[in-house]
Amino acid sequence: NAGVMQNPRHLVRRRGQEARLRCSPMKGHSHVYWYRQLPEEGLKFMVYLQKENIIDESGMPKERFSAEFPKEGPSILRIQQVVRGDSAAYFCASSPPSGPPGKAFFGQGTRLTVV
Amino acid sequence: GDSVTQMEGPVTLSEEAFLTINCTYTATGYPSLFWYVQYPGEGLQLLLKATKADDKGSNKGFEATYRKETTSFHLEKGSVQVSDSAVYFCALSDQTGNQFYFGTGTSLTVIP
Repeated sequence: NAGVMQNPRHLVRRRGQEARLRCSPMKGHSHVYWYRQLPEEGLKFMVYLQKENIIDESGMPKERFSAEFPKEGPSILRIQQVVRGDSAAYFCASSPPSGPPGKAFFGQGTRLTVV
Repeated sequence: GDSVTQMEGPVTLSEEAFLTINCTYTATGYPSLFWYVQYPGEGLQLLLKATKADDKGSNKGFEATYRKETTSFHLEKGSVQVSDSAVYFCALSDQTGNQFYFGTGTSLTVIP
């Protein structure tokens, strides 16, 4: 059973371009979480999704950021018109439909660098 | 709002030394508390957890006790190994279990 798969591992974008980060949850997991790790700030929650639904997006910046988790395929975190401040590691986690808190499995992260 | 404060690193210890990484939290209600570990080049892994006051989480020789009176969840290990070198994150989840709040992480390096 493969773990949570994130790709790409490293992504370089020029200012103004779009960044797409993909997350394939573990088999059987229908809940996906996205976190951003900024230098010196630790991990920050961004969004919680279930299949075809956004459950909690209170951590998402109001502009340029969007996330989806379609019925088929991976979850996508999309950042439009990237700026230097978007440079960070983005982690995805998945969990099964039910279970105690904390039983989330994390991917290896995508390191986004905006030049 | 809910938050986690974690001791700053980096921490460097000799093999077999005693480890303590402090973590305190602020939360409403009854959060669950966690320690996650990130080994070099890997994603986060759940190390241990405690879901109510006075619970002790333990795994791989690491322990942490959920202290409501001091709002703390300090991570300890009696004798560290080189393979314990990693970044350790303290975290809490709110009562819904939907949101996690992470500390800034503490980098640990164990030297032989």
